[in-house]
Amino acid sequence: RKEVEQDPGPFNVPEGATVAFNCTYSNSASQSFFWYRQDCRKEPKLLMSVYSSGNEDGRFTAQLNRASQYISLLIRDSKLSDSATYLCAVKDNYGQNFVFGPGTRLSVLP
Amino acid sequence: DTEVTQTPKHLVMGMTNKKSLKCEQHMGHRAMYWYKQKAKKPPELMFVYSYEKLSINESVPSRFSPECPNSSLLNLHLHALQPEDSALYLCASSQVQDYEQYFGPGTRLTVT
Repeated sequence: RKEVEQDPGPFNVPEGATVAFNCTYSNSASQSFFWYRQDCRKEPKLLMSVYSSGNEDGRFTAQLNRASQYISLLIRDSKLSDSATYLCAVKDNYGQNFVFGPGTRLSVLP
Repeated sequence: DTEVTQTPKHLVMGMTNKKSLKCEQHMGHRAMYWYKQKAKKPPELMFVYSYEKLSINESVPSRFSPECPNSSLLNLHLHALQPEDSALYLCASSQVQDYEQYFGPGTRLTVT
């Protein structure tokens, strides 16, 4: 089993739709969690850190479920500019290992 | 300002060449990273420097040699690379090793 797995996608959604991605991790010692977005041929950009209590930033909401070992990202009212690949990243403090998931491609269609 | 800069943006090199990639940040971050990213794949961690000391080497071949001259600069020295080393090389930094990372725009490397 891979350390970090994501919904394979691609997700093709109309503008204004709500879309959710999941990311599962295998190492129960994982302590830090992040969502990044990456546009084609660009660098990953930090979208948000994921806290135990969950966090929200405008149209974006991230949740952490330690019991089931997954994090989620919810995007409300999708915009064309949200089209990108969304990468989750998990850090294991015990092993000091920072691992990205394979990414989920989102296309928001007009 | 969360800017990490990298030079050059593009690099084409032969298998016998020696070249260096450079990364710079002025955010006072004390952890810096090198990643390799192939097309349609996630970034793969290569090296981590924490407080200017090599903290993690993810079993990277010795033809890649990192260097951290000071807390703002990170270099990656390349020698005798193979065509399969062609990729996007990303530098990142974070406040300290456990915190969120900010990426530079990358160097797109082609080995001929």
